[in-house]
Amino acid sequence: QSVLTQPPSVSGAPGQRVTISCSGGSSNIGAAYDVNWYQQLPETAPKLLIYGNTNRPSRVPDRFSGSKSGTSASLAITGLQAEDEADYYCQSYDSSLSGYVFGTGTKVTVL
Amino acid sequence: EVRLLESGGGLVQPGGSLRLSCAASGFRFSNYAMSWVRQAPGKGLEWVSPISGSGDNTYYADSVKGRFTISRDNSKNTLYLQMNSLRAEDTAVYFCAKDVYNFWSAYGVFDYWGQGTLVTVSS
Repeated sequence: QSVLTQPPSVSGAPGQRVTISCSGGSSNIGAAYDVNWYQQLPETAPKLLIYGNTNRPSRVPDRFSGSKSGTSASLAITGLQAEDEADYYCQSYDSSLSGYVFGTGTKVTVL
Repeated sequence: EVRLLESGGGLVQPGGSLRLSCAASGFRFSNYAMSWVRQAPGKGLEWVSPISGSGDNTYYADSVKGRFTISRDNSKNTLYLQMNSLRAEDTAVYFCAKDVYNFWSAYGVFDYWGQGTLVTVSS
């Protein structure tokens, strides 16, 4: 049972904007620990998408952006493309568990 | 180019043991902490264990504590996971992941992942 909760699925038409929420608590996101996001395309390994709440690795398109507020974080994808169909996971640190935690994961579907 | 290649997965009976390896290349292996992350079939990601770049510091998720041991051989650029007393719930794809830092901390970021190796625990 993950301590970081994400919606199971979100969907949007090509070109639209979708957001994925990552809801935590006072021992993880709310304790000022950073949130990272990973994209997992079907049958592949996860890839780093966003680190340190808002930063993108150079290879990641600027259509992807991250934000954090209070005990939650969000990933936004603008100009949705077919290649964005994947599972997305948030990740942070939890002081109660003394370890890293991943979100429950969100499947993005491009209609 | 950073490459991580896991091996050692397979079918094992409950109570059995298995050792996973992760061969790293394309970066100075000893300079970075590494972790094992697993994913049960059709499920989400679960962090299992980290190890610092020197190998001095390790940690384990409660679900594997006392049964799994992480280690590394910096001379061989290889990460290991010794898994003992395996249970059905350990069935998963096991990924090795590189951290951006030398030591494992509350601010770890997994910037590269291997393709994973499947461990199936079943009689």
